[in-house]
Amino acid sequence: GQNIDQPTEMTATEGAIVQINCTYQTSGFNGLFWYQQHAGEAPTFLSYNVLDGLEEKGRFSSFLSRSKGYSYLLLKELQMKDSASYLCAVLDSNYQLIWGAGTKLIIKP
Amino acid sequence: ETGVTQTPRHLVMGMTNKKSLKCEQHLGHNAMYWYKQSAKKPLELMFVYNFKEQTENNSVPSRFSPECPNSSHLFLHLHTLQPEDSALYLCASSQDESQGGNEQFFGPGTRLTVL
Repeated sequence: GQNIDQPTEMTATEGAIVQINCTYQTSGFNGLFWYQQHAGEAPTFLSYNVLDGLEEKGRFSSFLSRSKGYSYLLLKELQMKDSASYLCAVLDSNYQLIWGAGTKLIIKP
Repeated sequence: ETGVTQTPRHLVMGMTNKKSLKCEQHLGHNAMYWYKQSAKKPLELMFVYNFKEQTENNSVPSRFSPECPNSSHLFLHLHTLQPEDSALYLCASSQDESQGGNEQFFGPGTRLTVL
């Protein structure tokens, strides 16, 4: 079966750095997405990786290793507004998105 | 209006009621999706429409019935639901279902409670 694993919850301190990991086992791979979802709101797109390596976008970076079935989302200079759930999703060989259950990130002052 | 809108935002219904959820996208996209989001579970893809044609039905019970009259509008008709159907129902759209890298844009969702 297809599976996406990410931690259920993480806690970090304002101003610090946090890394949210995602491992996947899917039938084929056409890219990996990270979305952010604040409580009670719609998920919003953060990043898309299809090639190995690190993609940097401001305070957020996303890394992919296809051979290891692994990705991480790195958040720097954490702000209180970064408290949200972070969803990892993989596009499989049928171009269907397979979603993880999300990681709830709690930022403490 | 911009992006993806959904109505109603909240809905409480009895098991014998019939109701409909509405989604509208103003992005000129060709693919639209219905998802179910339950607490601490992955998003569950329910239906996909690409160029108004249904391309995916992930073993969804027949008490959920989708309708896509045009590429901008998507409905989810509900009847004789069960309490376990209570969840957040999210609509999303993307440029094309079959292209990699096309991010999906989500609506704010309808919080459904079945009594």
